[in-house]
Amino acid sequence: AQSVTQLGSHVSVSEGALVLLRCNYSSSVPPYLFWYVQYPNQGLQLLLKYTSAATLVKGINGFEAEFKKSETSFHLTKPSAHMSDAAEYFCAVSGVETSYDKVIFGPGTSLSVIP
Amino acid sequence: DGGITQSPKYLFRKEGQNVTLSCEQNLNHDAMYWYRQDPGQGLRLIYYSQIVNDFQKGDIAEGYSVSREKKESFPLTVTSAQKNPTAFYLCASRDRENQPQHFGDGTRLSIL
Repeated sequence: AQSVTQLGSHVSVSEGALVLLRCNYSSSVPPYLFWYVQYPNQGLQLLLKYTSAATLVKGINGFEAEFKKSETSFHLTKPSAHMSDAAEYFCAVSGVETSYDKVIFGPGTSLSVIP
Repeated sequence: DGGITQSPKYLFRKEGQNVTLSCEQNLNHDAMYWYRQDPGQGLRLIYYSQIVNDFQKGDIAEGYSVSREKKESFPLTVTSAQKNPTAFYLCASRDRENQPQHFGDGTRLSIL
């Protein structure tokens, strides 16, 4: 069964530092990949998506992610963290092995930004 | 603006009571989903529906029921059989398999 792992349930960075949130998926066929952000007591908001076009995907709020098939990874980065980036981040995948109607979410990474 | 509306924002359930969470979308999406979110556990799929009058169980369907009588509506009933219903419930919809899901703002259910 397809799965998604996010290394690090909690990540802390200083304001202005690089943000790196890791996501790996298990699939022999490149799936569709998504990153979402969730603020407290709110729903999930799409940051970016990979759907087999460019491997480097740019999203909202200065985030980007790179799809690496050889590493089955889709890590999320932002060059300079801002206080407003503190939130929960979820990586998600859908595709052939899950059946297209399902979306599998990773367990999430909580990002803290230290002033 | 198009989007997904979940109501109520907060809901309290008494012992032995069924409660229904509302989810309405005006995005004209075919597929709709219900997730349960517990602290530190991410999102778990309860039910999903791809077309009107059809739905499938997700990973944790026991104690829950749904209906899909209209394309824009996908209500979730938390029955008395669900012994631990306290959680944050999220509704989502999407257009096609390569498109992301759109989420509502959630309903937080607690036990009185």
